[in-house]
Amino acid sequence: DGGITQSPKYLFRKEGQNVTLSCEQNLNHDAMYWYRQDPGQGLRLIYYSQIVNDFQKGDIAEGYSVSREKKESFPLTVTSAQKNPTAFYLCASSIGGGAINEQFFGPGTRLTVL
Amino acid sequence: KQEVTQIPAALSVPEGENLVLNCSFTDSAIYNLQWFRQDPGKGLTSLLLIQSSQREQTSGRLNASLDKSSGRSTLYIAASQPGDSATYLCAVSLSGYSTLTFGKGTMLLVSP
Repeated sequence: DGGITQSPKYLFRKEGQNVTLSCEQNLNHDAMYWYRQDPGQGLRLIYYSQIVNDFQKGDIAEGYSVSREKKESFPLTVTSAQKNPTAFYLCASSIGGGAINEQFFGPGTRLTVL
Repeated sequence: KQEVTQIPAALSVPEGENLVLNCSFTDSAIYNLQWFRQDPGKGLTSLLLIQSSQREQTSGRLNASLDKSSGRSTLYIAASQPGDSATYLCAVSLSGYSTLTFGKGTMLLVSP
């Protein structure tokens, strides 16, 4: 089955720790995205990548980092510099290359700071 | 900066009703508009995508319309069912290379 997987489903972080959220897709999509969702708010873009080895900051990139070494993988690291990381994190992908840009989402990772 | 607003924030209806969810956006020069469904604690499921050249799209009991000039889209759900209970989000993009801007969603509850 083609789709997007995220792991883990739940993640707990202690103060001062860095944690990495995994996102993998087998849709052969060029573009991948990371969003953060907080209660009562819409999705906010953290980082996105239109192609391998390239990525851009979104609206709330501070305290986060990403890499895009493989087409199918786009991991997100939440660093200790992110002061309020407790949220639901969603990864998405789209065909990219200026195409219709329909985005497909993974199941999400819920991060809680202890 | 593009802003997307969804009204109402929450809606409760009895089973069988037809209903309309609204989405408005401030910059009418959109490339496409996408409607999503989100169940509690889950990811987003794409429902319909309307390209800027289109006026509507249909999938089963769902119909989405787009009026670019007025900056509005509506999602029409016919003969609602309890299984339709979820949060519905709309999002717009300004080009094929741009990212999506999301509204905050409408939380729908359909009672049996």
